[in-house]
Amino acid sequence: AQKITQTQPGMFVQEKEAVTLDCTYDTSDPSYGLFWYKQPSSGEMIFLIYQGSYDQQNATEGRYSLNFQKARKSANLVISASQLGDSAMYFCAMRERNTGNQFYFGTGTSLTVIP
Amino acid sequence: DVKVTQSSRYLVKRTGEKVFLECVQDMDHENMFWYRQDPGLGLRLIYFSYDVKMKEKGDIPEGYSVSREKKERFSLILESASTNQTSMYLCASRLGGGQVKLFFGSGTQLSVL
Repeated sequence: AQKITQTQPGMFVQEKEAVTLDCTYDTSDPSYGLFWYKQPSSGEMIFLIYQGSYDQQNATEGRYSLNFQKARKSANLVISASQLGDSAMYFCAMRERNTGNQFYFGTGTSLTVIP
Repeated sequence: DVKVTQSSRYLVKRTGEKVFLECVQDMDHENMFWYRQDPGLGLRLIYFSYDVKMKEKGDIPEGYSVSREKKERFSLILESASTNQTSMYLCASRLGGGQVKLFFGSGTQLSVL
């Protein structure tokens, strides 16, 4: 079974609008962390946001927020007030405590911001 | 800020050649990783290292080996390159312990002809 599932290969959003990128995960480990990375066309993976499984509140970093729904095993990324520079690939990832150094990545969502 | 440097952004090699991909990090991180990225498949872990001279296989180690002789440097070796190893290769590092974040290099796009 896939550890991380991103079901949206491509998304479009109008500039200044909000967009939600979906991510579901599969784990039986009670302790895990969830990440979102952005990969612009330059290729470098840029860390955006992190949510620990025991964190009570949803993580936020500037215009990024993580909608963490533990019972649904969902960790959607919300980008508010989209900018042209947000056009990129976005990857959801998970690290389980039991598997230590193993990070599991989804297949990514390509976001295009339309002026 | 942490810097992870990959020696080449683009590389073109011939089938059967021995290929070295180099990665250097400047923040004394314990853990280093090599990923392969293919469209529609996301990132897949090839190998990782949790200390000097220590390594563990990831999900797709076949056809690859690694070397970590110094803490800051982690090399990926393709012993005999094949066309199905044409891909984007990403190096990453992590401090270790409770530090959760992975820091990535800008990737090497390898083409094997």
